[in-house]
Amino acid sequence: QSALTQPPSVSGSPGQSVTISCTGTSSDIGTYNRVSWYQQPPGTAPKLMIYDVSNRPSGVPDRFSGSKSGNTASLTISGLQAEDEADYYCSLYTSSNTLVFGGGTKLTVL
Amino acid sequence: QVQLVESGGGVVQPGMSLRLSCAASGFRFTTYGFHWVRQAPGEGLEWVAVLYSDGSRIYYADSVKGRFTISRDNPKSTVYLQMNSLRVEDTAVYYCARDLSLGSLDLSGRGTLVTVSS
Repeated sequence: QSALTQPPSVSGSPGQSVTISCTGTSSDIGTYNRVSWYQQPPGTAPKLMIYDVSNRPSGVPDRFSGSKSGNTASLTISGLQAEDEADYYCSLYTSSNTLVFGGGTKLTVL
Repeated sequence: QVQLVESGGGVVQPGMSLRLSCAASGFRFTTYGFHWVRQAPGEGLEWVAVLYSDGSRIYYADSVKGRFTISRDNPKSTVYLQMNSLRVEDTAVYYCARDLSLGSLDLSGRGTLVTVSS
């Protein structure tokens, strides 16, 4: 199973934008678009924020956006708010019908 | 109310078995696939297994293959995870999650804690 690499932590001030990267290889993220992003505040279940690279489920603010370039997928949060502080995970659905998660990124709102 | 509720967690010794349940409500259960995802204390998310709506497409993570079995009971709107030969490293909160679109999990339960310890 492939590994997806995320930065351990990112931070930003309220109102700013932050981007969290998720790096794979040409065989996974570089080829497939089944990339999702999850938000997980402490002690809660993960919440889907982005699916299929750039689609937002209903109810997710448009401050959250997803993109992909080459072997790297990205989650951008604009107009950062205190409530955005959480752990964020990317995932990829593979050609072997398995799901791989990134190691997670802790977002701190300063 | 659209929700998933896990149950069945607890403390067991290595080598023992446990069956987790995930009760769904508020939506058409039969049209969805379901995953189990786990999270060890202080660690990240780890995918465990998926069972699609047709009941025949089932896939497992290598770490649980041959020990865990995912199944569903459509009349009861419930998904199960039978866990055999449990190991200390299986200790985690286990989440049940609904599959929106091949690996995107749009609804999760609150999780149930499984502790494997001697």
